[in-house]
Amino acid sequence: ILNVEQSPQSLHVQEGDSTNFTCSFPSSNFYALHWYRWETAKSPEALFVMTLNGDEKKKGRISATLNTKEGYSYLYIKGSQPEDSATYLCAFGSGGSNYKLTFGKGTLLTVNP
Amino acid sequence: AAGVIQSPRHLIKEKRETATLKCYPIPRHDTVYWYQQGPGQDPQFLISFYEKMQSDKGSIPDRFSAQQFSDYHSELNMSSLELGDSALYFCASSPRQGLTGELFFGEGSRLTVL
Repeated sequence: ILNVEQSPQSLHVQEGDSTNFTCSFPSSNFYALHWYRWETAKSPEALFVMTLNGDEKKKGRISATLNTKEGYSYLYIKGSQPEDSATYLCAFGSGGSNYKLTFGKGTLLTVNP
Repeated sequence: AAGVIQSPRHLIKEKRETATLKCYPIPRHDTVYWYQQGPGQDPQFLISFYEKMQSDKGSIPDRFSAQQFSDYHSELNMSSLELGDSALYFCASSPRQGLTGELFFGEGSRLTVL
């Protein structure tokens, strides 16, 4: 059983605050690490897919880093806005012929205006 | 742009009945994944298909079966429904198996078993 841990479980910040949360995953058999943004009543939307140790990706105010050797990824949001409120899911892609994503439980971010 | 289409969006069934969920992937996507999300739970991988063949199997009960058809749409068949099967079932498609792997999700089918 693959263990993908996300912390914190939930987070409340004020508009304009910068924040970050963590995804921990097995450091063996790594293939890819995905981040998804999931708003209530909508389907998950891909933010980043990272495959190389040391990868850093950015999309607007959101960025992510990857450390495959120690098995963690950070997601950063700069200057949080109320529309950033969502659950942020990470998913660990294990390698081999059976490519499979194992999701964490997510971090619920609430940005208060 | 076309997205992943799931039907029906909502389904109510009685215990021991059968349900079928359908997923139409984005055109030219050859890989389909099914996930189940129970109330307050993280998404659980059920099964995936690549080029109409089952590529991986997760925590899918024996009462469930799925297939991918020649037009790449997929159907998840659930029999002898139990209360615990009530969940949001997501289908996702991907353009290439095992490469970028980015998933595009449908809006989900919510199954309620009474």
